[in-house]
Amino acid sequence: DSGVTQTPKHLITATGQRVTLRCSPRSGDLSVYWYQQSLDQGLQFLIQYYNGEERAKGNILERFSAQQFPDLHSELNLSSLELGDSALYFCASSDGTSGIDEQFFGPGTRLTVL
Amino acid sequence: GQNIDQPTEMTATEGAIVQINCTYQTSGFNGLFWYQQHAGEAPTFLSYNVLDGLEEKGRFSSFLSRSKGYSYLLLKELQMKDSASYLCAVRDVRLTGGGNKLTFGTGTQLKVEL
Repeated sequence: DSGVTQTPKHLITATGQRVTLRCSPRSGDLSVYWYQQSLDQGLQFLIQYYNGEERAKGNILERFSAQQFPDLHSELNLSSLELGDSALYFCASSDGTSGIDEQFFGPGTRLTVL
Repeated sequence: GQNIDQPTEMTATEGAIVQINCTYQTSGFNGLFWYQQHAGEAPTFLSYNVLDGLEEKGRFSSFLSRSKGYSYLLLKELQMKDSASYLCAVRDVRLTGGGNKLTFGTGTQLKVEL
């Protein structure tokens, strides 16, 4: 158990809908990262927040947005969902200050868009 | 941009040694990470290299050559539970203000057989 929690574990929805994925980082970690993992594309970095502010951005679609709240938990919002958005979404956290600053991953949310 | 290459699949025998290679091309470099991921589960951190040479951690070792853009993960005394995907990830530049972006390879699926 990495100490990172994600809810829900599974989510099934229809095209065009909007969903929110939630992540709580490890105690003391200031950085939160979101990744998308699909079968054909591997683990793709979406976005990083550090202490409430956006710090790094990957290939995140405009239909997707995220935020980190004062208590450091984060939410990833996916809207106008398409079939191709079906994937495992991982959240990771790190302390943001150590030399290695390795990322610890949560168990993921499996999103299925029908 | 970044380009990370790993073999797609490898097979090895229980008790043996296996080496998983990773080559990368990046505009900058600030560390290389290896993660293990069992099917449907979260990636877990294995090792980190930022300077040239070998880092040893129990049955796992990782090597880095920055001039060659090359790393390998060495797994000794293979066990059946080592059957998993092994992900190589590069941090290109340590961004100011806590930025920490990893680019992952597509992973090497290792199968350990009796």
